[in-house]
Amino acid sequence: QQQVKQSPQSLIVQKGGISIINCAYENTAFDYFPWYQQFPGKGPALLIAIRPDVSEKKEGRFTISFNKSAKQFSLHIMDSQPGDSATYFCAPGGSYNTDKLIFGTGTRLQVFP
Amino acid sequence: DTGVSQDPRHKITKRGQNVTFRCDPISEHNRLYWYRQTLGQGPEFLTYFQNEAQLEKSRLLSDRFSAERPKGSFSTLEIQRTEQGDSAMYLCASSGDLTRTDTQYFGPGTRLTVL
Repeated sequence: QQQVKQSPQSLIVQKGGISIINCAYENTAFDYFPWYQQFPGKGPALLIAIRPDVSEKKEGRFTISFNKSAKQFSLHIMDSQPGDSATYFCAPGGSYNTDKLIFGTGTRLQVFP
Repeated sequence: DTGVSQDPRHKITKRGQNVTFRCDPISEHNRLYWYRQTLGQGPEFLTYFQNEAQLEKSRLLSDRFSAERPKGSFSTLEIQRTEQGDSAMYLCASSGDLTRTDTQYFGPGTRLTVL
């Protein structure tokens, strides 16, 4: 019920390209779907998050697409830049009164100039 | 800087020793979380406080681990009789401000190495 599967494990993209990372979950009680970005030696930082009442959310170059029936959500990074090179985690969780985030295993993104 | 802070940033200890980590959350955040992250993995939930009450503990949190949050402000995580398997990054996060109650803001972590 708590399992979160993330793919791919690693991704190499040329500068200006589109990076796509996918996340599949099992727990239908999840109602908060964030993506976190982590640089080496740093803690994770929230990149973008979505609630299940919408199917897509865009913030700048970052877009989340959410498919409730398939229990999947994805992160799209448009016009990928070398500064986007980091590890990305999906981390679905509960809402206000609950609790923990369940992190995926991460996707290491490398953007080459 | 008003973010989450953790101390120390790095800790090297010998097997069997006790260690204690401190986390200072963002001011006025009422929820505080501890996670553990091993190399190449995502963070795993350990425990969670709302104010001073510890509301949930993971099965990962063995009897050797104890966490406190006296007065609902900073928190400490103690590991007794450390084992080599305890080597990891220990992350603290806080949430609960009035505008974005679900966003968890993470600190830089404490990297523990048990020799």
